[in-house]
Amino acid sequence: GALVYQYPRRTICKSGTSMRMECQAVGFQATSVAWYRQSPQKTFELIALSTVNSAIKYEQNFTQEKFPISHPNLSFSSMTVLNAYLEDRGLYLCGAKPGLGGLEQYFGPGTRLTVL
Amino acid sequence: GQQVQQSPASLVLQEGENAELQCNFSSTATQLQWFYQSPGGSLVSLLSNPSGTKHTGRLTSTTVTKERRSSLHISSSQTTDSGTYLCAIVNNYAQGLTFGLGTRVSVFP
Repeated sequence: GALVYQYPRRTICKSGTSMRMECQAVGFQATSVAWYRQSPQKTFELIALSTVNSAIKYEQNFTQEKFPISHPNLSFSSMTVLNAYLEDRGLYLCGAKPGLGGLEQYFGPGTRLTVL
Repeated sequence: GQQVQQSPASLVLQEGENAELQCNFSSTATQLQWFYQSPGGSLVSLLSNPSGTKHTGRLTSTTVTKERRSSLHISSSQTTDSGTYLCAIVNNYAQGLTFGLGTRVSVFP
């Protein structure tokens, strides 16, 4: 079956430091990977959509300078939260699609980031 | 931008009762998915239903694309159904999902 793993599941970092999180697709080829954040008491917001062989598209309020993403192959993506502050805390989800025209997105369990 | 509104915001049920959750969206959707988020935070895809009616287990989703609305019916609720139910749409294949705020469901024995 199609599975998405995320690592780490939980992490704590000091304010002003950076945190890298990973997303691994197993059982399918992740042609596109979307990163989302759920801040406390809020719903999921799309950070960026990464499609292999295309430029990464960031949503308004999110930038490459703050959330650099790597999507080097069809099974792996990583995102770093640079210079994390309190407002960056939340649950970060990776959603991977098996094909460009596919409708289904498979989600990982998320990385919960706490910023002290 | 596109918006997704869900109602009610929260719902309290006694085990065995049925529930109807609503999702309205402000732009055309090529994809609509219902998700369940456990109290621990993990997201599970329940149904992908851009139009028509789909069933899985005790869940039934009906989407009326022209009216930009979808519903999720939970029949014979169980305590393990407690959690947040999220509706999300995509309006073209290139974009990620836009989520609603969710309906928090609490089922008591």
